[in-house]
Amino acid sequence: AQSVTQPDIHITVSEGASLELRCNYSYGATPYLFWYVQSPGQGLQLLLKYFSGDTLVQGIKGFEAEFKRSQSSFNLRKPSVHWSDAAEYFCAVGLSGGYNKLIFGAGTRLAVHP
Amino acid sequence: GAVVSQHPSRVICKSGTSVKIECRSLDFQATTMFWYRQFPKQSLMLMATSNEGSKATYEQGVEKDKFLINHASLTLSTLTVTSAHPEDSSFYICSAARTGNEQFFGPGTRLTVL
Repeated sequence: AQSVTQPDIHITVSEGASLELRCNYSYGATPYLFWYVQSPGQGLQLLLKYFSGDTLVQGIKGFEAEFKRSQSSFNLRKPSVHWSDAAEYFCAVGLSGGYNKLIFGAGTRLAVHP
Repeated sequence: GAVVSQHPSRVICKSGTSVKIECRSLDFQATTMFWYRQFPKQSLMLMATSNEGSKATYEQGVEKDKFLINHASLTLSTLTVTSAHPEDSSFYICSAARTGNEQFFGPGTRLTVL
């Protein structure tokens, strides 16, 4: 069955430190992968996506993610975290090719210490 | 990105009553709308997909008679929770998309059933 696992429920980093949020997926076909951020009172916002091509994808707000097929992973990274990055982050896989029918991970809550 | 609103943002109702949640795409015509349910510290679970003018497609395990979805126009979809019970208390999120394109998410509606 298709699934997305985010092993870290909660992560705390210091402002300015680097960040990596882990995501593993289980999907038989070529995955369409996404990272979303959810801030209180706001809808999920798409940070970046991978459909095909270069396995290192750049997103908004200075985030990037790397697709590793051999590890079934799509980890999100940022070299220097800002206090405004504190939020909930969701990894998702798109079934049926593309944006339709998204399967989400449980999310990782990021806290940023000054 | 496009803007999707939900109304109300919070609702409290008595057990046995029905509650309607609206989802509007404010600046684009959404041929497809999705309804998700999010439990605390858990991922978003897709409940149903609706295309304008068609009956909604419900995910396995979602009671279509309990969660009535109407997508009467390209900018409005409604979710009605009928005969609500405390176990229906949850965070309901909608998203809107042009068919096959990026989903834009609403801010969610917190439903509490007493």
